[in-house]
Amino acid sequence: TQLLEQSPQFLSIQEGENLTVYCNSSSVFSSLQWYRQEPGEGPVLLVTVVTGGEVKKLKRLTFQFGDARKDSSLHITAAQPGDTGLYLCAGEDERGAQKLVFGQGTRLTINP
Amino acid sequence: SAVISQKPSRDICQRGTSLTIQCQVDSQVTMMFWYRQQPGQSLTLIATANQGSEATYESGFVIDKFPISRPNLTFSTLTVSNMSPEDSSIYLCSVEGGGTGELFFGEGSRLTVL
Repeated sequence: TQLLEQSPQFLSIQEGENLTVYCNSSSVFSSLQWYRQEPGEGPVLLVTVVTGGEVKKLKRLTFQFGDARKDSSLHITAAQPGDTGLYLCAGEDERGAQKLVFGQGTRLTINP
Repeated sequence: SAVISQKPSRDICQRGTSLTIQCQVDSQVTMMFWYRQQPGQSLTLIATANQGSEATYESGFVIDKFPISRPNLTFSTLTVSNMSPEDSSIYLCSVEGGGTGELFFGEGSRLTVL
């Protein structure tokens, strides 16, 4: 069974600070996705990384896929209250099972 | 992208009753996925619903407890049967988009069982 471990599970910081969320596994994934979920909503895709070592930027968010495609990180620069939410990483099975494996999630709170 | 509507958005149910959740997609899709998100937890796949065939259930989930219908390419239902407080969760419908395994989700159905 493939597992994705996210850390930290909870993070509460002040507006303007930087933070990094990690998503680790012992398994290789063909792609890694990051979602954000706000209360009362379903998760919304932020980004997909496919190539080992790939870095993608989405405004103040930087996503990186590990060289071996087993891990990923999400870095937020100068966090804003609007960044508050549950961040989920999800890996697609390299064997093409078309089923995503979700991490436990990181609940992020940005305090004004 | 896909727009997914779920009904009900939330409900409070009595132990032992059943509830059916509806999922409507604005485009035709081959597979629809039903997830459960228990309070404060991540997403767990319940089953994959294909039109014209039986749903495929994940380990720990059975058809008697979570019967699924998929009458056409834009609609599916999930029933939570004989509910207990442990079934209190958010149930999410999703579809794949873009051909890259990315998922689009409905807003979820928050179920509370008393």
